Amino acid sequence: DQQVKQNSPSLSVQEGRISILNCDYTNSMFDYFLWYKKYPAEGPTFLISISSIKDKNEDGRFTVFLNKSAKHLSLHIVPSQPGDSAVYFCAANAGGTSYGKLTFGQGTILTVHP
Amino acid sequence: NAGVTQTPKFRVLKTGQSMTLLCAQDMNHEYMYWYRQDPGMGLRLIHYSVGEGTTAKGEVPDGYNVSRLKKQNFLLGLESAAPSQTSVYFCASSYPEEREGSYEQYFGPGTRLTVT
Repeated sequence: DQQVKQNSPSLSVQEGRISILNCDYTNSMFDYFLWYKKYPAEGPTFLISISSIKDKNEDGRFTVFLNKSAKHLSLHIVPSQPGDSAVYFCAANAGGTSYGKLTFGQGTILTVHP
Repeated sequence: NAGVTQTPKFRVLKTGQSMTLLCAQDMNHEYMYWYRQDPGMGLRLIHYSVGEGTTAKGEVPDGYNVSRLKKQNFLLGLESAAPSQTSVYFCASSYPEEREGSYEQYFGPGTRLTVT
C-alpha cells in the first residue's frame, strides 16, 4: 500500500517557467513533509520541508504548499532553471515515536529545457 | 566533513553469495537508516537504528541483516543474495527529531548492486 504517491512520473518545463510537482498521501498520522532532490549517481539531498501546522513554506525559488484536508502537497519552483533537472521525491513522517522514519513517494523526473 | 559515505560504490554478486555494505557518518548522528531504491518504487526502508547496539526492521527487511557496533557505522548484510535484491542501496543518518525540530536525513551516494 503506497502511503505517499507521486502520480506524475515525469514533468517537462521551459527555463524560466514554473514547475509544479505534486504529492498525495493517505496516512492521516503524517504531520511533517519533506522534498528531496536527486541527481543521477548521487544520493538524495534535502530541499525543503513543511510541518502540518503550516500551509506554506518558502525558501528562495522553492515553495511547498500543504492542503491537509485534501492530503495533498505540492512543490513550486519559480523560475525553473536547467540545473533543477533531477528526480524529486516527497517524503512524510508520522511524528510521535517514529524515530525519524520517512515514507517516500515514487519520485518525479523534472526536465527543464533551456 | 565527509558526511555520509558508503562502500563499495558498485558490486556484482552471483546468486547465493554474501556481502556487507558499509555506511559511515561523521556528523555524530544517533539515527541511521538503510533504504533501497527500485524503479517506480521510490526509496523503501530496509532497517534502521536509533543508537549504537540497536537495530529495528523497516518496510522491506527480509533477506537483510544489519549491525551497529559503533555509533558512526551501520552495516547492511546480505547472507544469500537473490536477483530480487538487485537495487541501489542508500544509507542515511539524522539527529533525533526533538533535537533539531526537523526530520531531515542526510544520504550517502549509494551502492549499486547487481545480483546475477
